[in-house]
Amino acid sequence: GAVVSQHPSRVICKSGTSVKIECRSLDFQATTMFWYRQFPKQSLMLMATSNEGSKATYEQGVEKDKFLINHASLTLSTLTVTSAHPEDSSFYICSARGPWGGQGKTYEQYFGPGTRLTVT
Amino acid sequence: QQQVKQSPQSLIVQKGGISIINCAYENTAFDYFPWYQQFPGKGPALLIAIRPDVSEKKEGRFTISFNKSAKQFSLHIMDSQPGDSATYFCAASISNSGYALNFGKGTSLLVTP
Repeated sequence: GAVVSQHPSRVICKSGTSVKIECRSLDFQATTMFWYRQFPKQSLMLMATSNEGSKATYEQGVEKDKFLINHASLTLSTLTVTSAHPEDSSFYICSARGPWGGQGKTYEQYFGPGTRLTVT
Repeated sequence: QQQVKQSPQSLIVQKGGISIINCAYENTAFDYFPWYQQFPGKGPALLIAIRPDVSEKKEGRFTISFNKSAKQFSLHIMDSQPGDSATYFCAASISNSGYALNFGKGTSLLVTP
């Protein structure tokens, strides 16, 4: 259980266009979803936290007008990179946390497989 | 500002040996400490996690040791196998601030045959 999917897995777009990435929790309802960005051979950097039905909370330095996050349902969150530029090329990964009860599982976060964005 | 410091950056271990990765933190509000394994081009996979009310947790060949007073925790991989070759990340989060994970910089583990 606890499977998170992302679509697409890879996308190439031209500079100035917008790209939407979907993150879905397949077998559980995700109370909270997170979006991370990872550069080659580096760690994951948290971009934003989103709770279903409310506005996302962005980390310092992340442009909320450029990286639009929508968490419309308990199983779907989307990240839209608007007016993409080559410096936005990166590996974008989402994670989801369920509303599980019981000792321990409440904290568990499961990651999607990632989306490789290349902006030309 | 890196809230979780991880070492070593890279590690080479012979098959059958023990791999040890260490992490340290400063924020005493952290109350959840997971370890993730990531293969190239894939998302991180949750390996094992611990809360500060226990000093050790074991799942199969993976063990977390936790030292609350020293604000350190470590991952031990027993009987390391070539298939364990991956990047390992430690992380920490605070339960009453949304559980967002603060990651270490990662350790690239290579297990040689």
